[in-house]
Amino acid sequence: EPEVTQTPSHQVTQMGQEVILRCVPISNHLYFYWYRQILGQKVEFLVSFYNNEISEKSEIFDDQFSVERPDGSNFTLKIRSTKLEDSAMYFCASSERQGMGHFGNGTRLTVT
Amino acid sequence: DQQVKQNSPSLSVQEGRISILNCDYTNSMFDYFLWYKKYPAEGPTFLISISSIKDKNEDGRFTVFLNKSAKHLSLHIVPSQPGDSAVYFCAASVRGSQGNLIFGKGTKLSVKP
Repeated sequence: EPEVTQTPSHQVTQMGQEVILRCVPISNHLYFYWYRQILGQKVEFLVSFYNNEISEKSEIFDDQFSVERPDGSNFTLKIRSTKLEDSAMYFCASSERQGMGHFGNGTRLTVT
Repeated sequence: DQQVKQNSPSLSVQEGRISILNCDYTNSMFDYFLWYKKYPAEGPTFLISISSIKDKNEDGRFTVFLNKSAKHLSLHIVPSQPGDSAVYFCAASVRGSQGNLIFGKGTKLSVKP
């Protein structure tokens, strides 16, 4: 069964550094998403992406965040200058239609 | 601001019995509801969904019930199996929201053999 793959599984970075989290969505999917889950808290929506542009974003997704689909297969989340509170599991998801995301296994980001 | 609430952090059920997981919501604009299952070190896995025009949707052992007047939905698993042990998340979205899912905090289900 096709799946969403995310790399790396764990990323450790120092505060102030830039990180890029990578995702390969399911190939025939048109909608792409990033979510995050801070330890002990609920999964939170960050951004959705459709037709090569951001279609919706949450308050969390401020100017420090950006997304890109640099080619036909990858979908990336960049955090420009990481803060301690950015430490979380970041989940990529994709779907054929709105709302029904198939999630990857996540990237654990640790900011020290 | 908890728009989607799962008030039971955990639930323990005997194998073969019914598991009932509950979810309440406050936003009357939600029109699509989903249940996800999550194992440790994995991402959420889609289980079943329901549109607000329905009050029940069934898929094998999983049934979701929606009570719009009470702003309540529930997931029934019958019969429960030990492999069902996981964290279950309720999620909701507003029509046209492009996939902005609002998640509950999850309920950890333990199915004992």
